[in-house]
Amino acid sequence: ETGVTQTPRHLVMGMTNKKSLKCEQHLGHNAMYWYKQSAKKPLELMFVYSLEERVENNSVPSRFSPECPNSSHLFLHLHTLQPEDSALYLCASSQVVRDEQYFGPGTRLTVT
Amino acid sequence: AQTVTQSQPEMSVQEAETVTLSCTYDTSENNYYLFWYKQPPSRQMILVIRQEAYKQQNATENRFSVNFQKAAKSFSLKISDSQLGDTAMYFCAFMSPRNYGGSQGNLIFGKGTKLSVKP
Repeated sequence: ETGVTQTPRHLVMGMTNKKSLKCEQHLGHNAMYWYKQSAKKPLELMFVYSLEERVENNSVPSRFSPECPNSSHLFLHLHTLQPEDSALYLCASSQVVRDEQYFGPGTRLTVT
Repeated sequence: AQTVTQSQPEMSVQEAETVTLSCTYDTSENNYYLFWYKQPPSRQMILVIRQEAYKQQNATENRFSVNFQKAAKSFSLKISDSQLGDTAMYFCAFMSPRNYGGSQGNLIFGKGTKLSVKP
């Protein structure tokens, strides 16, 4: 595997479910990011991790819970989501926080 | 607050022709980075080109070049000899290298321009 990978690629979940999105980067980077991409809206930055510490949390509802166990892996734990949370969730990484970012293919999430 | 505006929601171009995508931004910073990202249909977002604001020379990457007008806060992308594989959403993005309001290294994206290359 090369670059940034995300699993699953597609996820359908009910409002009462608990699921997790996984991101893995194979680039030796030290910073990782979660973005939300909704139709007709700019990409929204959700969380930033640098050296496994969260350095940014853009007022994201608590039903989204990130976890960064090491510099190569990033998770987004989901619980009691709302239909408006349906979107493409993109993971990205960069060498350091102030560097260009490389994106994963995204997870298409549908909340029913 | 920093903002990025892409005023063209959709554009189309004939194969082999040239197209220019517009982007303007608003910032009070003097040093920053600008990017163009490409997101093909159902595929990964990839970096097309990067420009440092302190560099006067416009960045180029093969068929892709930018027209960076710092005073006008304009950062347009020119695609020469358009190919069918250039069909994608194109996003302009801004990044301040400083810890600006607690948002160091944040990419601020425009809404994107959907480009269709027609055979």
